[in-house]
Amino acid sequence: AQSVSQHNHHVILSEAASLELGCNYSYGGTVNLFWYVQYPGQHLQLLLKYFSGDPLVKGIKGFEAEFIKSKFSFNLRKPSVQWSDTAEYFCAVTMNDYKLSFGAGTTVTVRA
Amino acid sequence: ETGVTQSPTHLIKTRGQQVTLRCSSQSGHNTVSWYQQALGQGPQFIFQYYREEENGRGNFPPRFSGLQFPNYSSELNVNALELDDSALYLCASSVSLAGGAQFFGPGTRLTVL
Repeated sequence: AQSVSQHNHHVILSEAASLELGCNYSYGGTVNLFWYVQYPGQHLQLLLKYFSGDPLVKGIKGFEAEFIKSKFSFNLRKPSVQWSDTAEYFCAVTMNDYKLSFGAGTTVTVRA
Repeated sequence: ETGVTQSPTHLIKTRGQQVTLRCSSQSGHNTVSWYQQALGQGPQFIFQYYREEENGRGNFPPRFSGLQFPNYSSELNVNALELDDSALYLCASSVSLAGGAQFFGPGTRLTVL
């Protein structure tokens, strides 16, 4: 079955620490890859997307993600987090079709 | 530019009732997708509408149905509500079908008692 898995359910960090969230998908065909973020009390917002080209993509708020096709991975990174990065992060994939398949999400808590 | 809007914000229903949720797509977007997000889980795809026709459907029973109107707004209808239908229902719009970025509304929180 096609699926998206996120490695961590809850990550707790201190400000200025580096963040890396893992995402893997199980599908051997063409994919489009996304990271969405949901800040407390707000709706899902697109952080970044990958369709083709350079596998290292940069998004908003200093986030970046790297697509490694051989590992079926699309990990999200940020070199130095801020308290305002506290949120839930979702990896999502379209697998040669139109629907977004989401991971279960990772809750990130940044301590001041 | 107006984003995706949804109504109502919250809704409480009892088992067996019917509910209609509404969504207005982002300006310039012609495709609307609906997702169900249960507590502690990622959103699950229900179906998508493009040019007023259902374009694809996830693993949801026929009592989940929808419509898209000429102005690209959309409705999600759920008949014979069950307790497990309690969830956040998200609407997302996009420019086209081809797996492009989808932009989400704030959701409707449905509680079934």
